Amino acid sequence: EAQVTQNPRYLITVTGKKLTVTCSQNMNHEYMSWYRQDPGLGLRQIYYSMNVEVTDKGDVPEGYKVSRKEKRNFPLILESPSPNQTSLYFCASSSKGRGGDNTEAFFGQGTRLTVV
Amino acid sequence: GQQVMQIPQYQHVQEGEDFTTYCNSSTTLSNIQWYKQRPGGHPVFLIQLVKSGEVKKQKRLTFQFGEAKKNSSLHITATQTTDVGTYFCAADTGRRALTFGSGTRLQVQP
Repeated sequence: EAQVTQNPRYLITVTGKKLTVTCSQNMNHEYMSWYRQDPGLGLRQIYYSMNVEVTDKGDVPEGYKVSRKEKRNFPLILESPSPNQTSLYFCASSSKGRGGDNTEAFFGQGTRLTVV
Repeated sequence: GQQVMQIPQYQHVQEGEDFTTYCNSSTTLSNIQWYKQRPGGHPVFLIQLVKSGEVKKQKRLTFQFGEAKKNSSLHITATQTTDVGTYFCAADTGRRALTFGSGTRLQVQP
């Protein structure tokens, strides 16, 4: 079954304690992205990756890191989480279409993070 | 950077009424996609529009892409309670990952 798997689904942590949210896709997609969703703000892009070892900042990258060492995995790292990073996080993947366009994006189930 | 505006932010309708959400981009797009997110769920792909002036239908849903490829709309005819959720447009310039609009949350009163 084609899917994007995020872990954990829920996480409560304390300020400053490093954490990693994992994301894995089994569709051999080139493109992967991380978004955060906050009420009234929609889905804001944090980082994206066009392929292995190719990553770039999205609209709200401050406080986050990513890596793309393998095609299937795209972990999101919060080196020193702060309360303003409390949010719902989604990982998404899509394949590279004609001309480099994004095809249909598949989303993970989401990770609800609370930083206290 | 890429700006994608979506309106309205929220709409509450009676079951059977129509609903429309609009999406506008600051730049010309290679394609635009629409997603639906049910309460407590994740966004799910609905459709992709590629051609200037394109119109596509999925049962009661009608999707349009503007002639200038900068705006799009989603229209639902005769809403049902199963239509409840947040509808997002997602802009693709062909140069980077998708940029999502802020979404329109639809509530349907039975």
